[in-house]
Amino acid sequence: ETGVTQSPTHLIKTRGQQVTLRCSSQSGHNTVSWYQQALGQGPQFIFQYYREEENGRGNFPPRFSGLQFPNYSSELNVNALELDDSALYLCASSPTDSVGANVLTFGAGSRLTVL
Amino acid sequence: AQSVTQPDIHITVSEGASLELRCNYSYGATPYLFWYVQSPGQGLQLLLKYFSGDTLVQGIKGFEAEFKRSQSSFNLRKPSVHWSDAAEYFCAVGGGGSYIPTFGRGTSLIVHP
Repeated sequence: ETGVTQSPTHLIKTRGQQVTLRCSSQSGHNTVSWYQQALGQGPQFIFQYYREEENGRGNFPPRFSGLQFPNYSSELNVNALELDDSALYLCASSPTDSVGANVLTFGAGSRLTVL
Repeated sequence: AQSVTQPDIHITVSEGASLELRCNYSYGATPYLFWYVQSPGQGLQLLLKYFSGDTLVQGIKGFEAEFKRSQSSFNLRKPSVHWSDAAEYFCAVGGGGSYIPTFGRGTSLIVHP
């Protein structure tokens, strides 16, 4: 079975620009979650998508938005980038049964640097 | 609200020594508990999980963790650490009412030869 893949692996943007990060979920998983991991910190939940709908959101402003596609892949979009958006962005997929839904399979992440 | 506390930011051990990483959680019902490991530049890998049943859980790479409800703890242990265990370790809590695990800030494990 294929794991979670994310692209790009690294990117550099300047303040005010917009960025799109992509994620393909693990085969058989139809829920995708996005986390932001700042340097030296634990992953912070951004939002989760299930059946192409946002299914939960953490404490992030509306300029963080997402999509999920019929094949369960997902995008994270960040508008009006700020310096503090520099972080590793992690995508994780999970199955939908009530127990397994908590077990996340992570991708390797997309490292975003905002200058 | 659910939360996780990992009180140790860094832990240094000698290769071959035993290891215990601490994790305390806050959750209103029976928690689902997890330990993940992150090597430099990588995503997180699941080491082990607790949902119910036996409170001593075995995981991959020789790790184990014990759920203690009275202490709201889920500490990770390994009897003999290898240099390849050097990494960042994250404890997480979730549950049946929330499919969104909350992570601690992590503990960085340094292994001396």
